Amino acid sequence: AQSVAQPEDQVNVAEGNPLTVKCTYSVSGNPYLFWYVQYPNRGLQFLLKYITGDNLVKGSYGFEAEFNKSQTSFHLKKPSALVSDSALYFCAVRVASGGSYIPTFGRGTSLIVHP
Amino acid sequence: EAGVAQSPRYKIIEKRQSVAFWCNPISGHATLYWYQQILGQGPKLLIQFQNNGVVDDSQLPKDRFSAERLKGVDSTLKIQPAKLEDSAVYLCASSLIGDTGELFFGEGSRLTVL
Repeated sequence: AQSVAQPEDQVNVAEGNPLTVKCTYSVSGNPYLFWYVQYPNRGLQFLLKYITGDNLVKGSYGFEAEFNKSQTSFHLKKPSALVSDSALYFCAVRVASGGSYIPTFGRGTSLIVHP
Repeated sequence: EAGVAQSPRYKIIEKRQSVAFWCNPISGHATLYWYQQILGQGPKLLIQFQNNGVVDDSQLPKDRFSAERLKGVDSTLKIQPAKLEDSAVYLCASSLIGDTGELFFGEGSRLTVL
């Protein structure tokens, strides 16, 4: 089955340290990969996406993600974490279904940045 | 640019009652999605529209859930009768036509079924 997985329920990091939120995928064909962030009682906000081209994708708020085809991964990274980055992060993949591509989300990873 | 509008933000009902949620997507966005997000889980797609046609509704519990998108703009999602396990946040999202575009989400409608 085509899917996306986030192996960590929670990631803890100290402010100023680099952060990584992991995502792996399983799809046939070329994957269209996305990261979204969700703050409490809000909808999801788009951070960045990989469609084709350069494996390192830069997005909003200083976040970036690296597409690794051999490891089927699309990990979210930031060089220096801020307390305000604390939120839920969702990886998503567009999954081919009946001629269209259905956005499918992982279960989410809670990022907690400690002062 | 106005974002995706949803209402109501909060709704509390008793089981076996009915409820309806409304969504107005971003102007010009042909594709509209309804997701169910249960606490502690990722969003699960219920139905995807392109203009006013259904692209995918394979995970929509059709015995109790229904959705429509009149004139390819606004959409309503209805639950009748509601069950306890329907307690969740119902997220509406829209995107430009195509397979590679990102989704723009509304703030969601939180349903509590007692």
